[in-house]
Amino acid sequence: GDSVTQMEGPVTLSEEAFLTINCTYTATGYPSLFWYVQYPGEGLQLLLKATKADDKGSNKGFEATYRKETTSFHLEKGSVQVSDSAVYFCALRHTNAGKSTFGDGTTLTVKP
Amino acid sequence: GAGVSQTPSNKVTEKGKYVELRCDPISGHTALYWYRQSLGQGPEFLIYFQGTGAADDSGLPNDRFFAVRPEGSVSTLKIQRTERGDSAVYLCASSTQGTSVYYEQYFGPGTRLTVT
Repeated sequence: GDSVTQMEGPVTLSEEAFLTINCTYTATGYPSLFWYVQYPGEGLQLLLKATKADDKGSNKGFEATYRKETTSFHLEKGSVQVSDSAVYFCALRHTNAGKSTFGDGTTLTVKP
Repeated sequence: GAGVSQTPSNKVTEKGKYVELRCDPISGHTALYWYRQSLGQGPEFLIYFQGTGAADDSGLPNDRFFAVRPEGSVSTLKIQRTERGDSAVYLCASSTQGTSVYYEQYFGPGTRLTVT
């Protein structure tokens, strides 16, 4: 079956540092890929997505590129802020399927 | 506008009891999803409704779990003979349409279930 593997956390960075959170997946076919964010005390929110190979999703300074050859969708941000402290989840979903498959999440803490 | 709401926010029950968890989707959303999130893990799919019918219930772990959506809006997840292993946060999500990846899934805040 499908699976998503994220780099283990927690990740602690200083403000303005560069962020990478690795995500790789195993799936049949070509699913769409997503990053969700969960801020403290809030529900899951979609951060960005990519629906086909080589697509780049971007939002709020975060980016991720769908790499079919390495089955990866790594999340990056050039300069993190304290307000980016949250748990980040990588997920996949197949076209014409309701079910999403999530990774176990990576906790990011940004210190001033 | 109002987002997905879930009640109760917290539920503590004794092993062996029956519980119901409620989800109110965003108005007009035809698709509704239930997930379970155990501590330190990502959400795990349980069931997906398109309208009133369960389009995919492959994630329900066993026959103690059942979900309904009788009028195509509110949904109730029902757990019989609860076990300590059922303790988790139960998440509900809704979207405009069910299977298109172009329609975002909006998540509720979850119900934290603790079985003692």
